Amino acid sequence: GEDVEQSLFLSVREGDSSVINCTYTDSSSTYLYWYKQEPGAGLQLLTYIFSNMDMKQDQRLTVLLNKKDKHLSLRIADTQTGDSAIYFCAGRRAGNNRKLIWGLGTSLAVNP
Amino acid sequence: DTAVSQTPKYLVTQMGNDKSIKCEQNLGHDTMYWYKQDSKKFLKIMFSYNNKELIINETVPNRFSPKSPDKAHLNLHINSLELGDSAVYFCASSPYTDTQYFGPGTRLTVL
Repeated sequence: GEDVEQSLFLSVREGDSSVINCTYTDSSSTYLYWYKQEPGAGLQLLTYIFSNMDMKQDQRLTVLLNKKDKHLSLRIADTQTGDSAIYFCAGRRAGNNRKLIWGLGTSLAVNP
Repeated sequence: DTAVSQTPKYLVTQMGNDKSIKCEQNLGHDTMYWYKQDSKKFLKIMFSYNNKELIINETVPNRFSPKSPDKAHLNLHINSLELGDSAVYFCASSPYTDTQYFGPGTRLTVL
């Protein structure tokens, strides 16, 4: 079946790196996304990676994809208090359905 | 300027009432979605329309009825509101590449 799992909480100190992990069960997932939700706000697309890529870097964000283990991670370098939010992992398989399978979200707390 | 907008932002109503939430996107996207986010922040897809045609219809009570008058609008009407309907409802839209862009959400509180 389709499933995306994430740990629910992560706490880091300001300036440290944060690594948020996600595992998915559907090996046919072709697109994998990371979204950020700040308190009281909607979801904002952070980055995405195609299944034929292993890594994608965008400024402080690094996404790693291990297709063999069906594991996706988001690394935030030099984590700031403004990074405190819920981070959702989502995956979609190829096809016309366009339905994303969402993780439960990881709540990141950044402590000064 | 807002890409995906929803109205109202907050909605407080009594059990048994009927209410509507409106969504508009000015991104030119073909596909629009409604999601429900519960108090634990779990995100659940409810409906999706592509060019005014319903393409995703999850197991949702038939008290919920989406309507898409054109591809830039997707409204959600809820009949006979129940306590369990209290949640934040998000509208989203996506282009052919499927990256979804979310609205700010409508917080519905049923008393």
